Amino acid sequence: DIQMTQSPASLSASLEEIVTITCQPSQDIGNYLSWYQQKPGKSPQLLIHSATSLADGVPSRFSGSRSGTQYSLKINRLQVEDTGIYYCLQGYSAPLTFGSGTKLEIK
Amino acid sequence: QVQLKESGPGLVKPSETLSLTCTVSGFSLTSYHVSWVRQPPGKGLEWMGVIWGDGSTAYNSALKSRLSISRDTSKSQVFLKMSSLKTEDTATYYCARDHPRLFDYWGQGVMVTVSS
Repeated sequence: DIQMTQSPASLSASLEEIVTITCQPSQDIGNYLSWYQQKPGKSPQLLIHSATSLADGVPSRFSGSRSGTQYSLKINRLQVEDTGIYYCLQGYSAPLTFGSGTKLEIK
Repeated sequence: QVQLKESGPGLVKPSETLSLTCTVSGFSLTSYHVSWVRQPPGKGLEWMGVIWGDGSTAYNSALKSRLSISRDTSKSQVFLKMSSLKTEDTATYYCARDHPRLFDYWGQGVMVTVSS
């Protein structure tokens, strides 16, 4: 199984700040990487797919990138509504595996 | 508009079989895949398995011996059955449209508690 190492586990940042979350797969996954936001008591919502493509309706302050085998989610100009837990998912091979999650709170 | 909704019992006894239904609308089960994902309380997400548009299935090897996913296309429903339940199977169970290899729409989830 492909392991997804996600960091940091938690993050506290101020409004308008820029934050970055990373995922490192245990083997090559190409661009089969997506990012999800989960707010308390809600189901996850797709933010980014194919490592860098913004999902429909997602604010442009969210972006995804890939540098070698490391994948990143960047949130520009942090807003109150960005609070939640963020997960990466590799879709390269079964079983599909998620990162352990990053809990983001606003200071 | 695309919607998925899970339904099933909220409480199941250990060793019993869990049966959940995912009712979808806004897309065809023969054109899209549907996956099941679960989340234990306060923990992360675990992919359980998928039923593809052609009706074939794939399962997480960790659950394969206990898990079965099927569907009724005429009713736009996908079914999950998991046997020999343990307390560790207590979780919120989600169905999600599998695009494939990413989940673009999710159901609201159904909380299942395994307890005697």
